[in-house]
Amino acid sequence: GNSVTQMEGPVTLSEEAFLTINCTYTATGYPSLFWYVQYPGEGLQLLLKATKADDKGSNKGFEATYRKETTSFHLEKGSVQVSDSAVYFCALTPNAGKSTFGDGTTLTVKP
Amino acid sequence: EAGVVQSPRYKIIEKKQPVAFWCNPISGHNTLYWYRQNLGQGPELLIRYENEEAVDDSQLPKDRFSAERLKGVDSTLKIQPAELGDSAVYLCASSLEGYSAYNEQFFGPGTRLTVL
Repeated sequence: GNSVTQMEGPVTLSEEAFLTINCTYTATGYPSLFWYVQYPGEGLQLLLKATKADDKGSNKGFEATYRKETTSFHLEKGSVQVSDSAVYFCALTPNAGKSTFGDGTTLTVKP
Repeated sequence: EAGVVQSPRYKIIEKKQPVAFWCNPISGHNTLYWYRQNLGQGPELLIRYENEEAVDDSQLPKDRFSAERLKGVDSTLKIQPAELGDSAVYLCASSLEGYSAYNEQFFGPGTRLTVL
């Protein structure tokens, strides 16, 4: 079946540091890939997505590129802020079936 | 625009008791999902509705779990009787159109269930 493996957390960074959260996947066919973010006490919300190989999703300074050759969708941000502290989930949605989520990576940004 | 609404936000019950969760999706969203999220893990699908029809309930433990979506809008997820292992956050999500690899899912804040 499909699976998503995320970099284990928690991740603690200082403000303005560079962020990378690794995500690799196993799937048949050509799924769409997503990053969701969950702030304390809230539901998951879409951060960015990519629907085909070599697509780059971007939002709020975050970026991720769909790499089919390495089956990866790593999340990056050049300069994190305290307000970016949250749990980040990588997910894939195939053309048929159901979405598969990673276990989440907790990011804490210190001033 | 109001988001996905869930209630209650927290529920504590003793094992063997029944419990029910309610979800109101975003207006106009035809597809509704129920997920279970165990501590430290990602959401796992329990059931998906297209309008009022349950089109994927393969992961729903049907001996104790049931769900309904009357009139294709609100939905209720029930557990009877609850077991200790049912402690988790139950998430409801909705999307505008039918299932598609491209569609964003909009999540509610979840109901945190604790079974004692």
